[in-house]
Amino acid sequence: SQQGEEDPQALSIQEGENATMNCSYKTSINNLQWYRQNSGRGLVHLILIRSNEREKHSGRLRVTLDTSKKSSSLLITASRAADTASYFCATDAGAQKLVFGQGTRLTINP
Amino acid sequence: DTAVSQTPKYLVTQMGNDKSIKCEQNLGHDTMYWYKQDSKKFLKIMFSYNNKELIINETVPNRFSPKSPDKAHLNLHINSLELGDSAVYFCASSQSRGETQYFGPGTRLLVL
Repeated sequence: SQQGEEDPQALSIQEGENATMNCSYKTSINNLQWYRQNSGRGLVHLILIRSNEREKHSGRLRVTLDTSKKSSSLLITASRAADTASYFCATDAGAQKLVFGQGTRLTINP
Repeated sequence: DTAVSQTPKYLVTQMGNDKSIKCEQNLGHDTMYWYKQDSKKFLKIMFSYNNKELIINETVPNRFSPKSPDKAHLNLHINSLELGDSAVYFCASSQSRGETQYFGPGTRLLVL
C-alpha cells in the first residue's frame, strides 16, 4: 500500500485565500518532501523537511511535520492563479527511494 | 540549460512494438530514477540506478530494461509494448538516495 496519502484529493479556492493540504504516512521516515506538478509537466521540488524538524518556510509556503501523528501539512498563503497544480508529498522511509502519494489537485479561481 | 531532459516528449506506437526513451541529467548527480505516472496521476517508481549500478527494480515486467551507459544517462527500453504501458514516464535524478529529486518533463507514451 502507499506510504503517503494526501487529503483532500481536490481543493478549489478563491485567489488570495490560503490553501492547506495534508499528507499522512504509515512508517517512520528520514524526511518528507512536497512537490508540485503543473498540468502536462514534470514534478518540481518545493520543500524537504527532515524527521527532526517540525516546521519549515519557503516564501509563501509553510510545511509542518508531526512525526507522532505521522502527518504533514502544506500551507500556501495568499494563493495565486499560478499556484493551480497538483501537489504531492513523498516520504523517504530508508528504502533508498521516495514513495509518493496520489496528490491534491489545487485549483485557484480568479 | 535543462537539468534533466528526456526524449522523446511524445511517443505513439502500436502494440507489440519495441521503443526506447532516453534521459540525461547535467546536474552531476549520482542517482537516477524512472517513474511511471498513470491516468490517475499515481507516481510509481520503476527503477533506480546509483553510479550506473541498479539498486531498485520495483516488480516491473522484464519487458522493461533500463540501461545506464554512464552516471549522467539512464535509458529505458520497452519490448513488446502492451496497451497497459500507456502512461507518462518520468526520469529523475538526485545527489543521493532519499534526497531532493529533479524531474524531467516526462514522455507521454500511447500504445494503440
